[in-house]
Amino acid sequence: DTAVSQTPKYLVTQMGNDKSIKCEQNLGHDTMYWYKQDSKKFLKIMFSYNNKELIINETVPNRFSPKSPDKAHLNLHINSLELGDSAVYFCASSQAGENEQFFGPGTRLTVL
Amino acid sequence: AQKITQTQPGMFVQEKEAVTLDCTYDTSDQSYGLFWYKQPSSGEMIFLIYQGSYDEQNATEGRYSLNFQKARKSANLVISASQLGDSAMYFCAMRIRYSSASKIIFGSGTRLSIRP
Repeated sequence: DTAVSQTPKYLVTQMGNDKSIKCEQNLGHDTMYWYKQDSKKFLKIMFSYNNKELIINETVPNRFSPKSPDKAHLNLHINSLELGDSAVYFCASSQAGENEQFFGPGTRLTVL
Repeated sequence: AQKITQTQPGMFVQEKEAVTLDCTYDTSDQSYGLFWYKQPSSGEMIFLIYQGSYDEQNATEGRYSLNFQKARKSANLVISASQLGDSAMYFCAMRIRYSSASKIIFGSGTRLSIRP
């Protein structure tokens, strides 16, 4: 009965490959997010979707493409992976009007 | 500029002592929210406490309290009676307006280590 789940937990891949990270929330929230945490632990928002509509798109390379098939899912697809993409990626969700964002367990991406 | 600043990269505290983690913020919004999250070594992000900009009383959640000083733009986290399990990274964060929505920005974090 995990609230926000991400798969996979670990992802090791070669430069130039394309990979996806999946996120699902069973909280009935209408807003979902992707964050990137770098090696210095700095956490920065990448994207936010509200009811399947993109509402926040920070200055992220267009190799990153979020996809929200329904409001319970927000997947992150990354094309042509680069060394600098190595990080922990967190999915989160929240409900409009409420304060807390619930985070997934994170996906540690390592690009070799 | 909208910004969260945590000036303590690391802190060591003796078990059972109280600890204050500093956080200052900068925003031109009148309505905003302040959060603290805990990230233990296992990596998950755990919500601790929230303070709204219009809340007159400081937020408290168990051993956690948020010392909100609006004029000074500070939102320090106070942990009373620290425990070994409190050893973790702590992030201060702020919800700000972003177009027609809102987003959360995070500080750089403070690594807290509790000594037995």
